[in-house]
Amino acid sequence: EAGVTQFPSHSVIEKGQTVTLRCDPISGHDNLYWYRRVMGKEIKFLLHFVKESKQDESGMPNNRFLAERTGGTYSTLKVQPAELEDSGVYFCASSQVGTGGLFFGSGTQLSVL
Amino acid sequence: GESVGLHLPTLSVQEGDNSIINCAYSNSASDYFIWYKQESGKGPQFIIDIRSNMDKRQGQRVTVLLNKTVKHLSLQIAATQPGDSAVYFCAETLTGGYQKVTFGTGTKLQVIP
Repeated sequence: EAGVTQFPSHSVIEKGQTVTLRCDPISGHDNLYWYRRVMGKEIKFLLHFVKESKQDESGMPNNRFLAERTGGTYSTLKVQPAELEDSGVYFCASSQVGTGGLFFGSGTQLSVL
Repeated sequence: GESVGLHLPTLSVQEGDNSIINCAYSNSASDYFIWYKQESGKGPQFIIDIRSNMDKRQGQRVTVLLNKTVKHLSLQIAATQPGDSAVYFCAETLTGGYQKVTFGTGTKLQVIP
């Protein structure tokens, strides 16, 4: 069974550009989460989808971040325009509803120069 | 070796010794706690979990201790091996319904051969 996959693994962009990150959760997992880790700090929650609906987006830092989950399958996280402080590792995780276990992808390392 | 998590982010341990990684969690209502291991270039991986109705749980070489009175978690790794070198995160959440997992800062464990 394939795990959570994220694309790209690395992205280097200039300030002001747009970047779109993609996450494919484990098949059958209705819960999908985005987290990010800024260097040296904890892993911060961004938002949570249940199927295609945003259950909780309280962690989204500002309106430059837009997450979608079309059809309740894969999800994208777009940053537009990117700022220097957006640099970090963006993780996606998925789980089945009602279970405690989160399965994480390998993350996307985003560097904004 | 012992770490206080937020105050000592790097823990160096001799191979074969026991490691103790500490974590203070924030939400007294949390009832489910998880330790994750993150190796370089990978996403966090589940190590062991514990529910709030327990104060100790053992795995193969790992033990998690929970002290709800002082909101403290610890992860003990017996006979630490070079493959244990990674960053370790504690996490807390509420069971039932959807799960928003909140992570601690993380502690880097370095195993000295």
